Parts: sequence; C-alpha cells; structure tokens
Amino acid sequence: DIEMTQFPSTLSASVGDRVTITCRASQTISSWLAWYQQKPGKAPVLLIYDAASLQSGVPSRFSGSRSGTQFTLSISSLQPDDFATYYCQQYSDYPWTFGQGTKVEIK
Amino acid sequence: QVQLVESGGGVVQTGTSPRLSCAASGFTFSAYSMHWVRQAPGKGLEWLALISFDGSKKIYADSVKDRFTISRDNSKNTLYLEMNNVRPEETAIYFCARDSVVATGGFDYWGQGTLVTVSS
Repeated sequence: DIEMTQFPSTLSASVGDRVTITCRASQTISSWLAWYQQKPGKAPVLLIYDAASLQSGVPSRFSGSRSGTQFTLSISSLQPDDFATYYCQQYSDYPWTFGQGTKVEIK
Repeated sequence: QVQLVESGGGVVQTGTSPRLSCAASGFTFSAYSMHWVRQAPGKGLEWLALISFDGSKKIYADSVKDRFTISRDNSKNTLYLEMNNVRPEETAIYFCARDSVVATGGFDYWGQGTLVTVSS
C-alpha cells in the first residue's frame, strides 16, 4: 500500500497567516493527489485535485503543488472559516490512502 | 443539487451483519463510481470500497475484504454496504462518496455519514 505521511499533525496560526501543510508519498503517485478540509461533525470537502487544480467553488487562497513525491497545500491568508483538519489522499493505486491529517488551530 | 444520504447506522452487536444504505439524488447516479469511507471517533479517514458505475467492478481495502460487500441498485439510486462479522474496532462514521467528475480520482461529494457503534 502507498503510505501518505502528512505533517505537521497540528499547526497553530493566526488569521492572515500563510499556512503550509505537507504530504509525502512512500512511492511515486504522479500528481494523483487530493486535499480535503473537514470540520468537526461534518463530511470532508474536496479542495484540490490532481495535486494543483482548485475544485470549483473553493476560494483562491487555497493552492496545491507537487515536487516529486512531496505535495503541499498552502493557504495564502488564513481566514476564520479555515480552522479545520486537512487531509491529503492519493488515488494513484488501490487501496486509496489518506494522510493522518493536520489540524489547523487558532494561535 | 447533489445529495447523498446514508442510513442504517446505530448500535449493533459484535459479529452481526448490518447493512448501510446511501440514497443519491441530484445527479445521474448510474453514471458514477461510488465509494465507502469510514472514520473512527477522533481518527483519520479510511477508504473501504469502490463500485463502478454499472456494478461490474468492485475493489476493497484489505481490512474489509471478504467481510464487507459493496453493491448498488441504479434503479433506486442507492448504494449499499453489507458488513459481515463486525468488530468493536469498526465503530466509526461511515460515509458514502461520489467519484470526482473532474479528476481521475478523489471524492467530490460526500454524505453526512452514519455512525455505526459495534458493541461487545
């Protein structure tokens, strides 16, 4: 199985900060990676697909990038609505696997 | 608008065989592959199973292979997950999710989830 290592597990930040979350795949997955946001008691929401494509309706402050097997989700200017847990997910090969999650907390 | 509504959760006994349903609306259900994903309390997400748009292809995670069965009824716009011999560690919220329409993979719509609590 492809292991997705996501870090940090927790991130404390303030409104207006630039935030970066990283996910590393245990083997090459090309750009077959998605990022999701999940708030407590809610289902995840797709933010980014194919590593860098913004899902329709998602604010442009979210962006994704890839360098080899390392992937990054960035939030350019953190907003109050962005405090949540974020997950990466690979869909290069079954079983599809998720990172462990990054909780973005208010500093 | 796209809606996915899961049902069938609740408190079940260890070793029993609950069946979850996911009612779809707002899109052409028969055109999309569908998935089940679960999340144990306070934990991360675990992909469980895929079924192709016509039901001809099914893929499972090793953790549920040979015990869980994914199926669909396109005439009823409904996805199912039959869980056999459930264990306490399978207590989780079970989500159904639609295969992304724009990406090669990923899930663009999710249901709200149904909580299955496996009691020993």
